[in-house]
Amino acid sequence: DARVTQTPRHKVTEMGQEVTMRCQPILGHNTVFWYRQTMMQGLELLAYFRNRAPLDDSGMPKDRFSAEMPDATLATLKIQPSEPRDSAVYFCASGFDFSGADYGYTFGSGTRLTVV
Amino acid sequence: GQNIDQPTEMTATEGAIVQINCTYQTSGFNGLFWYQQHAGEAPTFLSYNVLDGLEEKGRFSSFLSRSKGYSYLLLKELQMKDSASYLCAVKGGSYIPTFGRGTSLIVHP
Repeated sequence: DARVTQTPRHKVTEMGQEVTMRCQPILGHNTVFWYRQTMMQGLELLAYFRNRAPLDDSGMPKDRFSAEMPDATLATLKIQPSEPRDSAVYFCASGFDFSGADYGYTFGSGTRLTVV
Repeated sequence: GQNIDQPTEMTATEGAIVQINCTYQTSGFNGLFWYQQHAGEAPTFLSYNVLDGLEEKGRFSSFLSRSKGYSYLLLKELQMKDSASYLCAVKGGSYIPTFGRGTSLIVHP
């Protein structure tokens, strides 16, 4: 089965350090999302790419977060500097939007980030 | 903006039927998803509705009424492995799925 691959699976870092999370979307998918999940807030959208172009990052704290898709096989989410409140599970999801038809998005296994 | 409401928690008995409701308010509508998420795992896609009516997939069915801003997920012949969180997500005018907080379903023997 095709899958979305995220690395690392777990990351523990000290406050102030840079964190980079990577995602390999499913080949052929044209849409990529980054979501953050916490017990308090549930799944929150951070960034949205279609055909590698960033279309929405309004949910992302711009001063410390950045998201890019340098090529079709890689999406990255960076936090610099990290803070304890960034501790969460970060999911990448990819899918294929075509003329309004939709078959759901496939989520990666997530990166569990702990900032101490 | 978008507002999605679902019950926080439900319990049911193995072998029974359970209905998980989702109500939403959105600017524009381009479809509604249901996802299943087991503890410590990623959400997995269950269903997608964009037109009114019932979509059936094995033991799971999903219903949509766009005029009422309402959907439900129906799970039949419940099994212990169905214990999970069920997430309702709505794709509004921006085509970005916004997720509800999820309904934690506990299936007991």
